[in-house]
Amino acid sequence: DAKTTQPNSMESNEEEPVHLPCNHSTISGTDYIHWYRQLPSQGPEYVIHGLTSNVNNRMASLAIAEDRKSSTLILHRATLRDAAVYYCILRAYTGANSKLTFGKGITLSVRP
Amino acid sequence: SAVISQKPSRDICQRGTSLTIQCQVDSQVTMMFWYRQQPGQSLTLIATANQGSEATYESGFVIDKFPISRPNLTFSTLTVSNMSPEDSSIYLCSAGGSLGYTFGSGTRLTVV
Repeated sequence: DAKTTQPNSMESNEEEPVHLPCNHSTISGTDYIHWYRQLPSQGPEYVIHGLTSNVNNRMASLAIAEDRKSSTLILHRATLRDAAVYYCILRAYTGANSKLTFGKGITLSVRP
Repeated sequence: SAVISQKPSRDICQRGTSLTIQCQVDSQVTMMFWYRQQPGQSLTLIATANQGSEATYESGFVIDKFPISRPNLTFSTLTVSNMSPEDSSIYLCSAGGSLGYTFGSGTRLTVV
């Protein structure tokens, strides 16, 4: 499985934007970039995903480098409820390789 | 996206016994997965639950220890057999969708 690399942790102030980086230099042409987050004592939840173009949804934005070897999850205004572990995961489009393989993720702390 | 009900939410079990965890999805899904998350760690995929055929296990996990059933497209069970204290962990069910995967809230298992 293609792997991702994330910093261990990051701190942010409430109501400020947060940029969470992810490196995936061995990404293949059919891998989608997925982001999930896990709030304390909960199962992971889907945040956003993309293939080549930048993506926006109600939760976040995903900026993908032109060579697709890195991406950044952007939370536009961090809240205390955004404190969680964020996982950047590469997922094949279909078939047996569509499983999600979790790395260590990045722990985001939000200061009031 | 699909909604998952997982039960029990927690249990304390005696070593040498077995526990069956149930995962119910509110809609038909093609792919269902079982994960383990040890305290302070990331998620590790145990197996893919295949409807109508034997589950596909990841390296380090075997059917005798973690038998899985998937009788239809909305339900799966994971049994943790012949438990030891090392099996104490959170076990999570996940179901695939076109947008992303949904996770149950997990079963916190303590083996004494």
